[in-house]
Amino acid sequence: ILNVEQSPQSLHVQEGDSTNFTCSFPSSNFYALHWYRWETAKSPEALFVMTLNGDEKKKGRISATLNTKEGYSYLYIKGSQPEDSATYLCAFGGGGSQGNLIFGKGTKLSVKP
Amino acid sequence: GAGVSQSPRYKVAKRGQDVALRCDPISGHVSLFWYQQALGQGPEFLTYFQNEAQLDKSGLPSDRFFAERPEGSVSTLKIQRTQQEDSAVYLCASSLAPAGGVKNIQYFGAGTRLSVL
Repeated sequence: ILNVEQSPQSLHVQEGDSTNFTCSFPSSNFYALHWYRWETAKSPEALFVMTLNGDEKKKGRISATLNTKEGYSYLYIKGSQPEDSATYLCAFGGGGSQGNLIFGKGTKLSVKP
Repeated sequence: GAGVSQSPRYKVAKRGQDVALRCDPISGHVSLFWYQQALGQGPEFLTYFQNEAQLDKSGLPSDRFFAERPEGSVSTLKIQRTQQEDSAVYLCASSLAPAGGVKNIQYFGAGTRLSVL
């Protein structure tokens, strides 16, 4: 059974703090790693799709890195704002699948003004 | 529409009742996925369509679950004789890629929250 682990489960930070969380995934049969941001009562929003070892992607204050050999990805948020409060999900895509993703349980981020 | 639309947003069902959940994908998107998210868990794959063909239904938890996409656009997930363990958020996602493909962005709807009493 393929397992995707995210840590921490939840995180409370003050506005302006920088933060990061981790996604661990199987290092074999890797095709892609997705990051999604899910605000309450809204649709999960795609942040990044990463496919190559060493990939670094950035979108505004949010960035992500990928290490496929050791099976982990980090998501960084610089200068957190209250609007960053959401659950951040990572999802692993393995070779041979039809495109279905294996999700972690997410990291719930709360940013206090 | 601009995004993936799911209806209803909330559904309360009595145990044993049949329910139908609808997904309107982004126009022109070939691939459509259904996921189930139980409380405290990440979304779990249920089934995948490429156009009207259901190519993978390995994640459907029992034969009470049935999905269709007859014209290759709108999809319906039906759950017969609902049980309490079916209570979850059901998410639909669509992707432009014709062959699925895990390297392609999946665009999600806001989900249907099903509560079975």
